[in-house]
Formats: sequence, C-alpha cells, structure tokens
Amino acid sequence: RKEVEQDPGPFNVPEGATVAFNCTYSNSASQSFFWYRQDCRKEPKLLMSVYSSGNEDGRFTAQLNRASQYISLLIRDSKLSDSATYLCVVNILGNTPLVFGKGTRLSVIA
Amino acid sequence: DARVTQTPRHKVTEMGQEVTMRCQPILGHNTVFWYRQTMMQGLELLAYFRNRAPLDDSGMPKDRFSAEMPDATLATLKIQPSEPRDSAVYFCASGLGLPNQPQHFGDGTRLSIL
Repeated sequence: RKEVEQDPGPFNVPEGATVAFNCTYSNSASQSFFWYRQDCRKEPKLLMSVYSSGNEDGRFTAQLNRASQYISLLIRDSKLSDSATYLCVVNILGNTPLVFGKGTRLSVIA
Repeated sequence: DARVTQTPRHKVTEMGQEVTMRCQPILGHNTVFWYRQTMMQGLELLAYFRNRAPLDDSGMPKDRFSAEMPDATLATLKIQPSEPRDSAVYFCASGLGLPNQPQHFGDGTRLSIL
C-alpha cells in the first residue's frame, strides 16, 4: 500500500465550482499534514497546513480525520488560477522527509 | 522572502558525463532534502541531511549518486557517470526540522541526459 494515496484526476471543473480532493495515508504515527500546490514546470509550494480541528484559508478548507487517516481539501468558487496539481503531504516527525502523494490535477475551465 | 537557491536551473549533457547540482538552503534551516521528480514516479526522496550530517540516502543509486553538505550554506548532488534514466527534475528543499513546519523547495534543476 502506498504511504500517501490520492486520486490522480484530472478534475475538470467550471469557474465558480466547488471541488474536493481526498487523500489517505498509511502511517498512523504521522504528525504533520500539508497540502502543497505545484504548477506546471514549477516547484511544489505550500498551500496550507492541515490541523486536527480543520482550518480555512479564504476559499480553501482543509480537514483531517486521524481515526480514518484521511485528509481533504475543499476549494470553493474555483478560479482559473487554481489550475494546478495538488499534492497531499504527510510528515512523521518534523525533521524527517515529507512523504508526498502523486498529486491530483485540477483544471478550472472558463 | 528567503528562498532555497538551486543551480543550474537546466542541464543537458551526454551520458557518461559527471553532473553536479548545487543547493543553498534558507539561512537557519537545519534540514536539507534532495528529491527527484518524474512523470511516472512523482516526487521521490534521494537523500537528506540534518545539521549537515547525512541521515538517509537509501533513495539514491549508491554506485553513481553522491550527496554532500560541505558547509551549512551548500548542499551538492553529484551523478557520475550519468545515464539517460537520470533525466528528471531534481529539487532541493530545506526546513527548520520542527513539527508542523513545512519544507520549502528550490526552483529545481531540470536534467536531461542524452
């Protein structure tokens, strides 16, 4: 079983739509969780951390379910500029490597 | 904004040649990571350092890859001899090494081995 699994997509949605990405992780000892965004031919960039109580940053909402080992990202009112690959990322300890999912590709269409 | 700096941004060379990629981590970050990304495999960890000490290089083909950190401001990844299957984007990332602290990536080196 892969350590971090994501639906690869692609998700093709119209502008203004709400889209949700899901991710599962296998190591129950995982402590930190993140969503990164990667644009074509660019480096991964931190989108947001994911906290146990769930957290929101503008149009983006992240949730964590430790019991089910499941992470989600919700994007409301999608913009064309949201088109990218979204990487689910898990960290066991702060000073150990991040474990990346293979990413979910999103295309927002006008 | 502090950034991880990688050089070169692009490298095209013939198989058999030595390739050296360099990374300057963000000042104050004590953990440095080398990742490789391909379409097929996604992001794979090659090696990482904490306080300049190598901790895990199990992701690297040992016979041809080597990673070093000669000082706190420079990490290097070398391939000798290079092979076409090494063609990929190589990312360096650095972090504070604390819980809930993300890692920050450089722009990457796009390597093509002909």
